Amino acid sequence: QKEVEQNSGPLSVPEGAIASLNCTYSDRGSQSFFWYRQYSGKSPELIMFIYSNGDKEDGRFTAQLNKASQYVSLLIRDSQPSDSATYLCALSGSARQLTFGSGTQLTVLP
Amino acid sequence: ETGVTQTPRHLVMGMTNKKSLKCEQHLGHNAMYWYKQSAKKPLELMFVYNFKEQTENNSVPSRFSPECPNSSHLFLHLHTLQPEDSALYLCASSQGTGKDEQYFGPGTRLTVT
Repeated sequence: QKEVEQNSGPLSVPEGAIASLNCTYSDRGSQSFFWYRQYSGKSPELIMFIYSNGDKEDGRFTAQLNKASQYVSLLIRDSQPSDSATYLCALSGSARQLTFGSGTQLTVLP
Repeated sequence: ETGVTQTPRHLVMGMTNKKSLKCEQHLGHNAMYWYKQSAKKPLELMFVYNFKEQTENNSVPSRFSPECPNSSHLFLHLHTLQPEDSALYLCASSQGTGKDEQYFGPGTRLTVT
């Protein structure tokens, strides 16, 4: 099992819909969780981080963490075409560095 | 300048050339990283420096040689590269290593001919 698993997609949603991106992980000792957005040809940009079980909201973004089930998700409300990008899940666990997933490609259709 | 900067943004080099990539962070962070991102592949961690000391080398070939003169600057010296080394090279920094979020520079798009 990969340390961090993401559905590579592509995930397509219509404009205005809720996009749901999921990430599962294997290291139960993982403590910090991050979501990065990466536009094509650009570098990853940090958009959310979450440390505790539950939901964390920031504007149109909500991160959800469930440590018992070992998953973290990112919800994007009122999706816009400008949200079309690859979303990377990252976490810190027993490894000394962040571990990144391979990313989910999201396309928001106008 | 703010955040993490990288130069050059684009680089084309032959297999026998020697070049260097530069990264500078203006965030007061103590840790700096080099990543490689090839097309359709996940991020690959190459090197980690914490307080100028190299703490991780992920089995990177010796044709890549990092240098960290201080906590704000990081270099990646390149020599006798192969075409498969063509990729986006990303520098990142964080306050410490492990739990802290990392902030990325814009990257250097490297093409080896």
